[in-house]
Amino acid sequence: KAGVTQTPRYLIKTRGQQVTLSCSPISGHRSVSWYQQTPGQGLQFLFEYFSETQRNKGNFPGRFSGRQFSNSRSEMNVSTLELGDSALYLCASSLQGDAYGYTFGSGTRLTVV
Amino acid sequence: AQSVTQLGSHVSVSEGALVLLRCNYSSSVPPYLFWYVQYPNQGLQLLLKYTSAATLVKGINGFEAEFKKSETSFHLTKPSAHMSDAAEYFCAVSVRDNNDMRFGAGTRLTVKP
Repeated sequence: KAGVTQTPRYLIKTRGQQVTLSCSPISGHRSVSWYQQTPGQGLQFLFEYFSETQRNKGNFPGRFSGRQFSNSRSEMNVSTLELGDSALYLCASSLQGDAYGYTFGSGTRLTVV
Repeated sequence: AQSVTQLGSHVSVSEGALVLLRCNYSSSVPPYLFWYVQYPNQGLQLLLKYTSAATLVKGINGFEAEFKKSETSFHLTKPSAHMSDAAEYFCAVSVRDNNDMRFGAGTRLTVKP
């Protein structure tokens, strides 16, 4: 059974650009969550999607957005990149949500220069 | 909102010694509690979860955790540490239907030969 797949693994972008990260959940999983991980702030919740609907959102500016497609694949977008957006972005999938526990992907390492 | 506090950002034990990683949670309603492990350059792997069934939860790799409501704690233990247990460990909390799992700051476990 394939795990959670995140692409790309590494990304270097320039300040002011925008970026789109992709996440393919485990087959059958309908809930997808995104997290930002940095040494200073740790793991911070971005948002969670279930059946193409955003069910919850963390405390991030509107530059951070996401969506989920009918096949449960998800993308997150960051516009007008800032140096502070450099982080490991982790996607996690679950059958229906938190109670089932999440399976995480290996993450996308974004570096903003 | 729910939150967790992990006591000790770094724990060091000798191989074969008891591992004890501490986690205290804050939640106004009965929580779901989780422990995850992260190895370098990888995503997070679920070790175990508490979702209101048995208070003593057994997980993978010989780890277990006990939910203590009176102490609002969910400490992770392993009787005998192996070198392969060296990693970062995260405690997480969520509440029913919120789907916004919150993580502690993490505890880095070092195992000395």
